[in-house]
Amino acid sequence: AQTVTQSQPEMSVQEAETVTLSCTYDTSESDYYLFWYKQPPSRQMILVIRQEAYKQQNATENRFSVNFQKAAKSFSLKISDSQLGDAAMYFCAYRGYGQNFVFGPGTRLSVLP
Amino acid sequence: DAGVTQSPTHLIKTRGQQVTLRCSPKSGHDTVSWYQQALGQGPQFIFQYYEEEERQRGNFPDRFSGHQFPNYSSELNVNALLLGDSALYLCATGTGGLGGEKLFFGSGTQLSVL
Repeated sequence: AQTVTQSQPEMSVQEAETVTLSCTYDTSESDYYLFWYKQPPSRQMILVIRQEAYKQQNATENRFSVNFQKAAKSFSLKISDSQLGDAAMYFCAYRGYGQNFVFGPGTRLSVLP
Repeated sequence: DAGVTQSPTHLIKTRGQQVTLRCSPKSGHDTVSWYQQALGQGPQFIFQYYEEEERQRGNFPDRFSGHQFPNYSSELNVNALLLGDSALYLCATGTGGLGGEKLFFGSGTQLSVL
């Protein structure tokens, strides 16, 4: 069974600075998707960024980018120019093709003014 | 365009009771998945419905059951509630059964079992 690990239960960053959230996963498959979801206090899970495993190029979405290392099974999220609204729980998730999501335990990000 | 809507937002039950949670998918979506998120943890997959049938199921007992209606909306039923069933229940919708990539989530139903 696939597993997703987030080794940082909590992180903090100063406003306008950069922070990196770590994620590792375990799978024997070669074709899959990886995601970062944000969960603010409103509880709704919001998709931040998505990576297809067969693509070597790292995904980027505005201030959010990933460092995808397929051989190392690592998928970290970098948030640049952090804003107060970025404060939330961040979940890394794995999805094999035709399967459902496996989520990590989450990292709580605080943004300090 | 309405997103994924869930009802109720909060619910309090006692042990042994039964509960029904509801989910209306985002417009154009035909696949509904349910997740349980215990406090301080990531969501855990319960099951997925597509074409009114349960297509996949996670490691949850038979006390957890569901249904999908012709309009693609879905219900999650939990019988004989236990204290450990207290959690946030999230509905996520997408398209194309098991092949869809993205999920859109509702804001969840917070269930407290006393």
